[in-house]
Amino acid sequence: GQNIDQPTEMTATEGAIVQINCTYQTSGFNGLFWYQQHAGEAPTFLSYNVLDGLEEKGRFSSFLSRSKGYSYLLLKELQMKDSASYLCTDKLIFGTGTRLQVFP
Amino acid sequence: GAGVSQSPSNKVTEKGKDVELRCDPISGHTALYWYRQSLGQGLEFLIYFQGNSAPDKSGLPSDRFSAERTGGSVSTLTIQRTQQEDSAVYLCASSLAPHDTQYFGPGTRLTVL
Repeated sequence: GQNIDQPTEMTATEGAIVQINCTYQTSGFNGLFWYQQHAGEAPTFLSYNVLDGLEEKGRFSSFLSRSKGYSYLLLKELQMKDSASYLCTDKLIFGTGTRLQVFP
Repeated sequence: GAGVSQSPSNKVTEKGKDVELRCDPISGHTALYWYRQSLGQGLEFLIYFQGNSAPDKSGLPSDRFSAERTGGSVSTLTIQRTQQEDSAVYLCASSLAPHDTQYFGPGTRLTVL
């Protein structure tokens, strides 16, 4: 079956770097997406990986290893506004989301 | 252009009543998705439409749930004989192509009393 696993909660300090991991088991892999969801709002697209390696986009980067069924989202120079849930998904199945709290 | 819109934004209903939730996807998007999100939880997949293909209904939790997509555009999610456990935010998303980036609507918050 399909399964997405990610940590439930993480905390970090403003200005720091945080890595959010995601492991997946899926059939018919079409790439891995990361979405950001602020409390009370809809998810918004952050990044997409279909090939192995690192995709960098400003302060956010995402990494994929297809052989290991593993991805991570790297957030640098954390800001208070980065406090949100981060959702990993392959297509239709989403992980529970990782709730990140950034403290001053 | 306009994003994904959903209506109503809030719906309060009594247990046992039927409700209809509407989603207007981004024009030209061929794929449409419905999800449910309970408070503090992740997104639960409900149903997926792609073009004229038969929808993927594998996420519908019971036969009280059904959805239609008319003319390849607007979609309606219907919940019959609502139960208190149906209370959640129902999110709709659309994408240009299958398994492409999803653009989410603001959601409908359903409360069943």
